Amino acid sequence: GAVVSQHPSWVICKSGTSVKIECRSLDFQATTMFWYRQFPKQSLMLMATSNEGSKATYEQGVEKDKFLINHASLTLSTLTVTSAHPEDSSFYICSATNRATNEKLFFGSGTQLSVL
Amino acid sequence: LAKTTQPISMDSYEGQEVNITCSHNNIATNDYITWYQQFPSQGPRFIIQGYKTKVTNEVASLFIPADRKSSTLSLPRVSLSDTAVYYCLVPSSNTGKLIFGQGTTLQVKP
Repeated sequence: GAVVSQHPSWVICKSGTSVKIECRSLDFQATTMFWYRQFPKQSLMLMATSNEGSKATYEQGVEKDKFLINHASLTLSTLTVTSAHPEDSSFYICSATNRATNEKLFFGSGTQLSVL
Repeated sequence: LAKTTQPISMDSYEGQEVNITCSHNNIATNDYITWYQQFPSQGPRFIIQGYKTKVTNEVASLFIPADRKSSTLSLPRVSLSDTAVYYCLVPSSNTGKLIFGQGTTLQVKP
C-alpha cells in the first residue's frame, strides 16, 4: 500500500521554541493532507486540512498562528508548532490522500512531541 | 459528515472471530465506509473499505446491509497482536475529511 513518512518520530523541546514536523507521501501525489493530534487514551482530533498550493483550513478552536501548515508540493506538508508550551505536548499524526484519483487516506507513523 | 457510533470496548480470546458493528445513520449516497486499526503510539492503519454488501481482503471482511446505515467489521481467528483500537469512519465525499469517533478498543486474551 501507499506509504506516508512522518519525521521526526519523537521530539523534546524547551518551552518557547518552535518545532517542525514533516509529512511526505513516498509513492503517490498527495493533493490533500490532514493533520491530527491525539492525547493519551483519546481519539484523533482533526486540526487542519491542507490542499497543495493553497492555505490550510483549520478546524474550530485550532489556532492557525500557533500551528503553521505548509503544503508546498504534492509530496510534502509540514506542521510547525510555534512557541511551544507544555500543553502542546501531544502525538501529532499526518495523513495524505490523492482526491483526484480517489486514493485512500494513509497515515504517517506519528510524532510524539514533549515540551519541557 | 456522517457520525459513527461503535462499542467502546470488546474482549475476545485468541482464535475467535470478532465482529465489531458500527452505525452511521446519516451516511450520504456517495460515502464509503472505512475501517482503521491503531496501535499505541502509531498512526492508524487502513484495514478495509466498502460501499455495499460484502468486501473481503486478506485480513478482514466488511459487511454492509442494503440500507448502509451500519456496517460490521469481521476479524477471523484473532490473535494477541490484534489487540488495538478499531475505528469505523465515513470520509466526507466532498472534502475527504475523516472525523474520528471514540473507536472500539479490542482486547484479545490468551
